[in-house]
Amino acid sequence: SQELEQSPQSLIVQEGKNLTINCTSSKTLYGLYWYKQKYGEGLIFLMMLQKGGEEKSHEKITAKLDEKKQQSSLHITASQPSHAGIYLCGADNLYQAGTALIFGKGTTLSVSS
Amino acid sequence: AAGVIQSPRHLIKEKRETATLKCYPIPRHDTVYWYQQGPGQDPQFLISFYEKMQSDKGSIPDRFSAQQFSDYHSELNMSSLELGDSALYFCASAGEENTEAFFGQGTRLTVV
Repeated sequence: SQELEQSPQSLIVQEGKNLTINCTSSKTLYGLYWYKQKYGEGLIFLMMLQKGGEEKSHEKITAKLDEKKQQSSLHITASQPSHAGIYLCGADNLYQAGTALIFGKGTTLSVSS
Repeated sequence: AAGVIQSPRHLIKEKRETATLKCYPIPRHDTVYWYQQGPGQDPQFLISFYEKMQSDKGSIPDRFSAQQFSDYHSELNMSSLELGDSALYFCASAGEENTEAFFGQGTRLTVV
């Protein structure tokens, strides 16, 4: 079965600093999704990546899928308190029946002012 | 823009009781997914529906059942509730044009 591993598990950065969160898959990724979750709330869709080498940006958040399509990174530039939350990567679970997502364990980001 | 609506937002039930969670997908979305997220856990896929038919089944207990209705809303029925069923339950919807799933705010179920 496919598994997603996120690193780091948690991260504390000072406001204004850059940071990177990684998501590594045990198998080739065919669709990689990044979501943000505030504690106890819903998942907010950030970006979807499908092609190897693809890179997308939304405001100060950039995500990239490596050429081999087994790892994705999420980079936040000049972090702000509003970036705090749990970042989850999800992947199309094509190695088992259906197309539901599997998720990584999440990375908890805290931004100190 | 309309989002996925889940109700209720919070629910407290006693052990062995039943609960029904509702999900209203984004208009024109025909696929609904249900996920369970335990405390400190990643979301786990339970079950999905496409065009009112069950399309996939994940780690959904036999005590739970779900269906998608003609208006595409979905309900998750949970019976003989156990303390371990306490979790956030998310519904997500997807349409044919888009491959990404959009999530609702979730229902927090607490079993006491």
